[in-house]
Amino acid sequence: DGGITQSPKYLFRKEGQNVTLSCEQNLNHDAMYWYRQDPGQGLRLIYYSQIVNDFQKGDIAEGYSVSREKKESFPLTVTSAQKNPTAFYLCASSSYNEQFFGPGTRLTVL
Amino acid sequence: GDSVTQMEGPVTLSEEAFLTINCTYTATGYPSLFWYVQYPGEGLQLLLKATKADDKGSNKGFEATYRKETTSFHLEKGSVQVSDSAVYFCALSSGTYKYIFGTGTRLKVLA
Repeated sequence: DGGITQSPKYLFRKEGQNVTLSCEQNLNHDAMYWYRQDPGQGLRLIYYSQIVNDFQKGDIAEGYSVSREKKESFPLTVTSAQKNPTAFYLCASSSYNEQFFGPGTRLTVL
Repeated sequence: GDSVTQMEGPVTLSEEAFLTINCTYTATGYPSLFWYVQYPGEGLQLLLKATKADDKGSNKGFEATYRKETTSFHLEKGSVQVSDSAVYFCALSSGTYKYIFGTGTRLKVLA
């Protein structure tokens, strides 16, 4: 089945540590995205990539980094510079006119 | 810039009641419009979409009509079920790879 996988589903991090969230898609989509969702709030765009080896900052990129070395993969690193990283992170990919989402990773900073 | 505004929640209804969740948008050009649904602890799933004015998107008893004159895309369902309890997001895309989402409306359906 085609789709988007995110791992892990739950992630715990100590303050001061970097952590990487995985996102893989087998939909053959060029564009991929990372969003952050806080309780009771909408989605905020962190980074997006329209093509391999290229990506752009979204609205809240500070404290995050990404890479796009393969079409299928778009990992997100939450660095220690992100002051309030506890949130639900959603990865997505899109065809020309439709966006598909993964199941999400819930990150908790201890 | 482009934006989406949807009604504040939560919306609480009894089973078999009629549902309307309002969504209005601001955009240059002719965006595509979407409704997504999110169940607890999960990602977003596309519920329906419309790509041009007067189009009606429909799925699982839900429907929404793209109204350019009122810049609206209200979600409706004639008879809700307990299983429809979720958060609903209105969104638009202007064809530039960027998608703009509303803040979401939580629906709770009581048996």
